[in-house]
Amino acid sequence: GAVVSQHPSRVICKSGTSVKIECRSLDFQATTMFWYRQFPKQSLMLMATSNEGSKATYEQGVEKDKFLINHASLTLSTLTVTSAHPEDSSFYICSARDPNRRGHYGYTFGSGTRLTVV
Amino acid sequence: QQQVKQSPQSLIVQKGGISIINCAYENTAFDYFPWYQQFPGKGPALLIAIRPDVSEKKEGRFTISFNKSAKQFSLHIMDSQPGDSATYFCAAIITGNQFYFGTGTSLTVIP
Repeated sequence: GAVVSQHPSRVICKSGTSVKIECRSLDFQATTMFWYRQFPKQSLMLMATSNEGSKATYEQGVEKDKFLINHASLTLSTLTVTSAHPEDSSFYICSARDPNRRGHYGYTFGSGTRLTVV
Repeated sequence: QQQVKQSPQSLIVQKGGISIINCAYENTAFDYFPWYQQFPGKGPALLIAIRPDVSEKKEGRFTISFNKSAKQFSLHIMDSQPGDSATYFCAAIITGNQFYFGTGTSLTVIP
C-alpha cells in the first residue's frame, strides 16, 4: 500500500530557531500534499495544501511567513517553522494524495512530528 | 463551520462491550466516509470506510452504519478490547478535495 514517511518524529528546538519537517511519498507520486496541526485531545486542523511546483494555499489564520511550505517534487514536501516560539509546539502531520486512487484510498498520512519549542 | 460533527467526545467501555461513535454531516456532495484510528504520538490510520450508496459495511469487529436520509453514520466496535483504546476520527471526503475530520472520540476500554 501507499506509504508516507515523515521526519523527524520528534524535534526539540530553541525559541527563535527554525525547524524543517519532511514528508515523502515512498511509492507513489503525490500531486497534492496537506499539512495538519493537532493540539492535544483535538482534531486535525488543516494548515495548508500544497501542489507540486506551485505555491501552497494556506488556511485562514495560518501565517504563511511563519510556516513555509515547499513542494519541490512529486514525492517531497517540507514544512519549515520559522522563528519558532513555544506556542508553535504541537503535533504536525502531513498527508499525501495519490491521484490514481479514489476516495479515502488516495490519502495517506504520515506518522507525525512532535515539535517542542523551549 | 464544522463540516462533520462527532459524538461523544469521550467513551469508556468495558472489555467485550460495544463501542458506538456517531457522526453527522450536511454536505451531500461527500462521496466517501472513512474512519481513522489514532494512537498517541502517531498519525491517523485508516480503519474502515463506506460510500453513501451502502447502508452498512463490516470488517472484522468494526462496522459502519450509514443513514443517507438522516446524513448520519456511525462506527460500531464489537467485542471491544483494551488494545482498541485510542482516538477515533470520522471524516468525509469529496474525491479530489480535502478531508473534513470530525472532532474525535477518545475511547477507553477497561479490562
